[in-house]
Amino acid sequence: AQTVTQSQPEMSVQEAETVTLSCTYDTSESDYYLFWYKQPPSRQMILVIRQEAYKQQNATENRFSVNFQKAAKSFSLKISDSQLGDAAMYFCAYRTTIQDSGNTPLVFGKGTRLSVIA
Amino acid sequence: GAVVSQHPSWVICKSGTSVKIECRSLDFQATTMFWYRQFPKQSLMLMATSNEGSKATYEQGVEKDKFLINHASLTLSTLTVTSAHPEDSSFYICSASPDGSYEQYFGPGTRLTVT
Repeated sequence: AQTVTQSQPEMSVQEAETVTLSCTYDTSESDYYLFWYKQPPSRQMILVIRQEAYKQQNATENRFSVNFQKAAKSFSLKISDSQLGDAAMYFCAYRTTIQDSGNTPLVFGKGTRLSVIA
Repeated sequence: GAVVSQHPSWVICKSGTSVKIECRSLDFQATTMFWYRQFPKQSLMLMATSNEGSKATYEQGVEKDKFLINHASLTLSTLTVTSAHPEDSSFYICSASPDGSYEQYFGPGTRLTVT
């Protein structure tokens, strides 16, 4: 079974600075999807960024980018120019591509609580 | 983007009563939906996989007779917490993927408080 590990329960960053959240995973599969979700105080899960394992290029979405190291099974999230609205829980998640992906749930890490200091 | 709704967003019930939570995919069809439970400051815990037209698949440790799941159509799954007790108080979240898509969309969640 796949597992996702987020080793940083809490992180803090000064506004406008850069922060990196760590995520490692364990799988025997060669193709899969990785995601970072943000959960603000409203508790609505918001997709931040996604990465297909077969793509070598790191995904980027505006101020958010990932460092995907497939051999090391590492998938870190970098937030640049941090804003107060970035304060939230961040979850790393894994999804298999085996069989019908629509029928497989996400495997979540335990999350990292990010605080942004004004 | 695809939208998933949940109703109600917040419910308070008395111990021993049953509560039904609805999860709807508003602009896509979903053969499969997922139900998660989240305790404060913790991650999402998968409870069950809801399959349209068939029985749900429950995760180990989840009581299927307490958490009844019905996926009656391609856009609606319901979770009924039967004979609720205070320990069932939690935040329940559903999610769904458009058929053929690997992306998963989440409902806004339902906060259940059992008194």
